[in-house]
Amino acid sequence: TQLLEQSPQFLSIQEGENLTVYCNSSSVFSSLQWYRQEPGEGPVLLVTVVTGGEVKKLKRLTFQFGDARKDSSLHITAAQPGDTGLYLCAGARYNQGGKLIFGQGTELSVKP
Amino acid sequence: KAGVTQTPRYLIKTRGQQVTLSCSPISGHRSVSWYQQTPGQGLQFLFEYFSETQRNKGNFPGRFSGRQFSNSRSEMNVSTLELGDSALYLCASSADPRGYSNQPQHFGDGTRLSIL
Repeated sequence: TQLLEQSPQFLSIQEGENLTVYCNSSSVFSSLQWYRQEPGEGPVLLVTVVTGGEVKKLKRLTFQFGDARKDSSLHITAAQPGDTGLYLCAGARYNQGGKLIFGQGTELSVKP
Repeated sequence: KAGVTQTPRYLIKTRGQQVTLSCSPISGHRSVSWYQQTPGQGLQFLFEYFSETQRNKGNFPGRFSGRQFSNSRSEMNVSTLELGDSALYLCASSADPRGYSNQPQHFGDGTRLSIL
């Protein structure tokens, strides 16, 4: 059972376009973390959202945590080839320490 | 500050053998978690160690085990290797001083295990 449904799985766009990646669940999480992973490397943490309704911005990336803490989104404005990679959302549950539940990931390809 | 270090980076084993992977967390981090990443299943949680005790466990068979040492370094062991164990094994550490979630997880670059 996939507790975190991430969509789309694959996305190929042109440089300058905008995109949104969604992460949905029927379960409540205490926090949602977003990672980016490049081939041959481990995931790198982009952001952690903790409060329902929270919005965080990281340059051209905007992250949102749903009011009910069951879903999250990542929006990229004016995508660049350097944004290419695997984007992963991961949910944490209360008092479960380091255990993260990951979505399947979104493979993003930004063509120049 | 040094990141999470995993060794070795690559391993090739045959069915039936056993393997031990090592993870050195970020200095000061006491929580170490292990994940298996495959194309079909994505990232799946194996187990977590905190202060030398297993705190959480995923849904993997008993062939997968781990331990943590007093310096927070961790090892995971897989016995009686199967073809399906071929994967990228990732280790992550976090500060997590009180056992709460919400702490950022910092990942190493993984060990690529191939079973022939």
